[in-house]
Amino acid sequence: GENVEQHPSTLSVQEGDSAVIKCTYSDSASNYFPWYKQELGKGPQLIIDIRSNVGEKKDQRIAVTLNKTAKHFSLHITETQPEDSAVYFCAASRVVHRSGTYKYIFGTGTRLKVLA
Amino acid sequence: DGGITQSPKYLFRKEGQNVTLSCEQNLNHDAMYWYRQDPGQGLRLIYYSQIVNDFQKGDIAEGYSVSREKKESFPLTVTSAQKNPTAFYLCASGPGQKNQPQHFGDGTRLSIL
Repeated sequence: GENVEQHPSTLSVQEGDSAVIKCTYSDSASNYFPWYKQELGKGPQLIIDIRSNVGEKKDQRIAVTLNKTAKHFSLHITETQPEDSAVYFCAASRVVHRSGTYKYIFGTGTRLKVLA
Repeated sequence: DGGITQSPKYLFRKEGQNVTLSCEQNLNHDAMYWYRQDPGQGLRLIYYSQIVNDFQKGDIAEGYSVSREKKESFPLTVTSAQKNPTAFYLCASGPGQKNQPQHFGDGTRLSIL
């Protein structure tokens, strides 16, 4: 069935270092890949996304890469800061409903700790 | 401000009781979704709705029910048939027919008394 694997489950980095989180999806029909950041007691917030016709996208310190052939996509955070500490989720989506509704399959999350 | 409002933030359920979680959005989104979040797991889809008066079961719909009488509102009822209801519940909305991101509320934490 549809599945998104996310690694690692926890990640600790020193402030200023880079962090990389990787996801693998199983459904070849997936064509949209958002990344969310969730802080304690809050809902997930979108931080960056990429569509299947693009291999890489960057927004300041955050970048996402997509390898459609291997069904891999990754989140890269450079120059990490303590406020980057949170749980990060990847997701893969595709159309599932006759009217065109998109369904997301989420990874299991990565808890990132940035050590000052 | 536009956004998604979930209430209450904390909810307690007694044995055999049904409880309803509220979700309201003012983003003019067509699609709305309910997810369940458990520690160490990703978000699992309970129900989703593309349009008013239409909704579909997600991956873990047993023990839950929803309604979509208004575009802005998508309440979730956790019934007594749901034997393990303790979790963090997240509501989301999105444009639906476009491959655009979902936006989430800040969740309701449900616990059993």
